[in-house]
Amino acid sequence: QSVLTQPPSVSAAPGQKVTISCSGSSSNIGNNYVSWYQQLPGTAPKLLIYENSKRPSGIPDRFSGSKSGTSATLGITGLQTGDEADYYCVTWDSSLSVFGGGTKLTVL
Amino acid sequence: QVQLQESGPQLMKPSETLSLTCTVSGGSITGYYWSWIRQPPGKGLEWIGYIHYSGNTNYNPSLKSRVTISVDTSKNQFSLKLSSVTAADTAAYYCARVIGDFWSGSYDYWGQGTLVTVSS
Repeated sequence: QSVLTQPPSVSAAPGQKVTISCSGSSSNIGNNYVSWYQQLPGTAPKLLIYENSKRPSGIPDRFSGSKSGTSATLGITGLQTGDEADYYCVTWDSSLSVFGGGTKLTVL
Repeated sequence: QVQLQESGPQLMKPSETLSLTCTVSGGSITGYYWSWIRQPPGKGLEWIGYIHYSGNTNYNPSLKSRVTISVDTSKNQFSLKLSSVTAADTAAYYCARVIGDFWSGSYDYWGQGTLVTVSS
């Protein structure tokens, strides 16, 4: 059981928008940055968002991140079939890095 | 372009010590924090710990009694040792570079991962 709660799955049609939530507490999200990762099947996770809302070089602006209080949200617009993957939120809690349980995105 | 590559045994027996090395190429290990993260088959990600190039470490409390992470700046490598492994330690093990401070939770470069199976 992760300290960060994500929905197990979300789905949307190509071209649509989807949001993935990550809920925590004051000891983690409430006082630390949140990052988001995309993991395609059989590959290593890839950084999509860091410091709540910043995108690394090469990540399209279809991906966005936000944080409010003890929750964070990843938004993906203009969904493509290639976006089908598992998505994880990550933050710091006390003395360790904690991951959300992951959300499987299905592009219908 | 920074690249990370894990290496080490892929099959182990219970009670043995897992030893993995992460070789960093295309950039220096100096100046950064580096982490090990694992993922059991079909499950989520678990942070194992980090090491600073200076040698400062921090481990996941759930694994702390069995984990040692070390760094060799002369070889641009850092390593993981996990003692007394059981089937529960079967996982893909990833090494990754930390962006900024250790508490950032942001890992910008990852190795491809190596699947370690513990079985008698």
